[in-house]
Amino acid sequence: QKEVEQNSGPLSVPEGAIASLNCTYSDRGSQSFFWYRQYSGKSPELIMFIYSNGDKEDGRFTAQLNKASQYVSLLIRDSQPSDSATYLCAATGGGNKLTFGTGTQLKVEL
Amino acid sequence: EPEVTQTPSHQVTQMGQEVILRCVPISNHLYFYWYRQILGQKVEFLVSFYNNEISEKSEIFDDQFSVERPDGSNFTLKIRSTKLEDSAMYFCASSEDRGDYGYTFGSGTRLTVV
Repeated sequence: QKEVEQNSGPLSVPEGAIASLNCTYSDRGSQSFFWYRQYSGKSPELIMFIYSNGDKEDGRFTAQLNKASQYVSLLIRDSQPSDSATYLCAATGGGNKLTFGTGTQLKVEL
Repeated sequence: EPEVTQTPSHQVTQMGQEVILRCVPISNHLYFYWYRQILGQKVEFLVSFYNNEISEKSEIFDDQFSVERPDGSNFTLKIRSTKLEDSAMYFCASSEDRGDYGYTFGSGTRLTVV
C-alpha cells in the first residue's frame, strides 16, 4: 500500500514566522511530489511541485525533497493569516494518479 | 485564469438513485480525473481518463461508477445506485500532460445521499 504520511496538526505559528510542514512517503518509486493548499470546504489548490532532490523556491514558499529519506517538506516564510488552511502533500509514481496525505492544518495567529 | 467547472455544487439524492456529476475541464487539457473526499478524510483517487478511455482506476471505482466524455467539453461521473457511504465531495481535475506538474481541480460537487 503506497502511503503518504503527514502530521494532522494543527500547527500554530505567529504571523511573520516560518511555517514548516513535513511529509513522508512509502513508495520509493514515487517521482513527483506536490503541495496543495485546501481551505475548509474548498478544492485543493496547487502551490508547488518538486521532483529533484534539493530545494525549490517560489516566492514565500520553498519545497524540499530528500529521496533517500523519502521526505518532502514545505516552508512558508513570513506567514500570513491568509495562509491558514490545510496543506496536502501528494505523490505520483510515474502514472498520473496522485496519492494524498491526510493534510496538516496550519493556523497563523495574529 | 482557466478553471475546471463542476456542476452542481451540491446534490442531494435518495439512496439507490442514480446521479451524474458534471465537469468541464480546461479546454486544452488532455487528461481528466475524478477524486473524492469524504468529510474529514483524505482526498482519494477514483479514476483517470485519457484519449476517450479509462487509463487507471482505484478499488473504489467499482461497477456502480462510470465516466464518460459525451462531447468535446464535458466529462461526467455517473454513480448508478447511490449508497449512504457515497456521500462525499467529488472533485474533477484536468491536466495538460500526464500530471507530472500537478493538475487543476474544480470547485467540487458535494454529494449527500439520504
